[in-house]
Amino acid sequence: ETGVTQTPRHLVMGMTNKKSLKCEQHLGHNAMYWYKQSAKKPLELMFVYNFKEQTENNSVPSRFSPECPNSSHLFLHLHTLQPEDSALYLCASSQEDANSYEQYFGPGTRLTVT
Amino acid sequence: GDSVTQMEGPVTLSEEAFLTINCTYTATGYPSLFWYVQYPGEGLQLLLKATKADDKGSNKGFEATYRKETTSFHLEKGSVQVSDSAVYFCALSSGYSTLTFGKGTMLLVSP
Repeated sequence: ETGVTQTPRHLVMGMTNKKSLKCEQHLGHNAMYWYKQSAKKPLELMFVYNFKEQTENNSVPSRFSPECPNSSHLFLHLHTLQPEDSALYLCASSQEDANSYEQYFGPGTRLTVT
Repeated sequence: GDSVTQMEGPVTLSEEAFLTINCTYTATGYPSLFWYVQYPGEGLQLLLKATKADDKGSNKGFEATYRKETTSFHLEKGSVQVSDSAVYFCALSSGYSTLTFGKGTMLLVSP
């Protein structure tokens, strides 16, 4: 595998379910991100991890719970979601001490909450 | 705070037409600037970047020049193809790892 991978690619869940999204980066980066992309809305940054420590949480509801066990893996645990949480969830990574801070994205998980 | 403004879409062109997608920004200091592209059903891919004033980023026939005097980073391509149909995002980084994105501009190219 190369780049940033995400699983599953598609997920349908009920409002009472618990599920997890997984992201893995194979680039040797030390920062990872979760974004939410909804139709006709700007890309929303949800969480940032630098060196496995959470450095940013953009007022995300507690029904979204991130976990970063090491610098290569990032999870997003989901529970009691709402229909408005249906969106494309994108993971990205970057090298924190680089000069230009470009981020590399995974293909995303298309989440539908019923 | 930092912000990025892109032209509203969709931009509709015929194959081989010239493309310009405008992007202007507001930022403190000297940000790095990026263009990302998102094809249908996929994540964002880095298309090109520029890290200082007057730098020109280029890739796959696309170009953008970092203009500090006009705080702009317009994306251009001389001859678009149907396969260029996608959503294009302008973004900046002000020296931190988080990026500020524009709202995206959809490009539709017809044969």
